[in-house]
Amino acid sequence: GDSVTQMEGPVTLSEEAFLTINCTYTATGYPSLFWYVQYPGEGLQLLLKATKADDKGSNKGFEATYRKETTSFHLEKGSVQVSDSAVYFCALVWGSNQGGKLIFGQGTELSVKP
Amino acid sequence: GAVVSQHPSWVICKSGTSVKIECRSLDFQATTMFWYRQFPKQSLMLMATSNEGSKATYEQGVEKDKFLINHASLTLSTLTVTSAHPEDSSFYICSGGSGLYGYTFGSGTRLTVV
Repeated sequence: GDSVTQMEGPVTLSEEAFLTINCTYTATGYPSLFWYVQYPGEGLQLLLKATKADDKGSNKGFEATYRKETTSFHLEKGSVQVSDSAVYFCALVWGSNQGGKLIFGQGTELSVKP
Repeated sequence: GAVVSQHPSWVICKSGTSVKIECRSLDFQATTMFWYRQFPKQSLMLMATSNEGSKATYEQGVEKDKFLINHASLTLSTLTVTSAHPEDSSFYICSGGSGLYGYTFGSGTRLTVV
């Protein structure tokens, strides 16, 4: 079945370091791909998305490119801040894009030290 | 963008009692909403898909009689944890919106059963 695999955390970086969180997926067809962020004690917030191959999603300095050939959607940020400390989830929509279920990766905890 | 309001944020209840969690779509009509459960340091587990005007669809292994879902209107879905026990203590999150553009999540409800 469809699935999402993320690199394991926790990831600990110093402020202004470069961030990469790897995400790969297996799916039939062409799913939409998402990155969500969860701050402690809160729900999930949509960070960015890509709906077709070669699309690049970007928001708040974060970027991810939908790579069909490698079935990947890696999250990157050039210079992380302490406020970026959170758990990041990669996800795809399975089934109908309008009403399909989200399939999540296991989440990657990011801790940014000053 | 789509806004989902979830209430309460946290609740403590005695073992054997029932707890109702509400999830409202504030600026869109939600024919479908999803309910998740999240354990500490883990990803989200889809419990059920709530369908307006019809029965919810539960994921395998989720007890329908324990986790009652009602979706009586296009803006409100509720999850009732019946006869709660300490093992039901968890973080519950709802979501709605468009799978194509990225679902919106509620802020979550922390349930503690004592």
